Amino acid sequence: QKEVEQNSGPLSVPEGAIASLNCTYSDRGSQSFFWYRQYSGKSPELIMFIYSNGDKEDGRFTAQLNKASQYVSLLIRDSQPSDSATYLCAVSSGGYQKVTFGTGTKLQVIP
Amino acid sequence: NAGVTQTPKFQVLKTGQSMTLQCAQDMNHNSMYWYRQDPGMGLRLIYYSASEGTTDKGEVPNGYNVSRLNKREFSLRLESAAPSQTSVYFCASSVSGDGTEAFFGQGTRLTVV
Repeated sequence: QKEVEQNSGPLSVPEGAIASLNCTYSDRGSQSFFWYRQYSGKSPELIMFIYSNGDKEDGRFTAQLNKASQYVSLLIRDSQPSDSATYLCAVSSGGYQKVTFGTGTKLQVIP
Repeated sequence: NAGVTQTPKFQVLKTGQSMTLQCAQDMNHNSMYWYRQDPGMGLRLIYYSASEGTTDKGEVPNGYNVSRLNKREFSLRLESAAPSQTSVYFCASSVSGDGTEAFFGQGTRLTVV
């Protein structure tokens, strides 16, 4: 059973702080890793993807991948109240049916 | 920019009733997907279509059927709704063929009573 694990939260951080969201996965054959943001009552929106070990930065967002330890994380710098949402981790081992989503971590940014 | 459009947004069905959820995308994507999202379960793939004319089962296909009408449209049908099908349904499409980097529709909140 392929699994993607996320802490459900809520993770509360003050405005301007760094939010760190973590995700672990069980399938060592996983190749692609994605972070989606989902506001309450809305649909998921892709914000980051990473394929190789290391860091990938895009604006205030940094995705970190460590395949040896089987975890992927998302850092949000200078957190804003508008970042308050649930963040879904998705892992793919290739193929249409091989994408597994985590249950998401709820982030609350306190003004 | 419409992206992925789903109809309806909300629906209440009685057990045993049937209905079709409609989905259309205007991004010229080849691949389309139907997911359901339940509390504590995450997004689960119901069916997908790699390209026009092809459909395949995902993780939870029982009780559902799909039709890829053309490149733009991918519908999901519940033939005999059950309370266990109460969920939020999302249609998605992607350029890449592996189901990731997907663009999602706004969702359909379905309640079966």
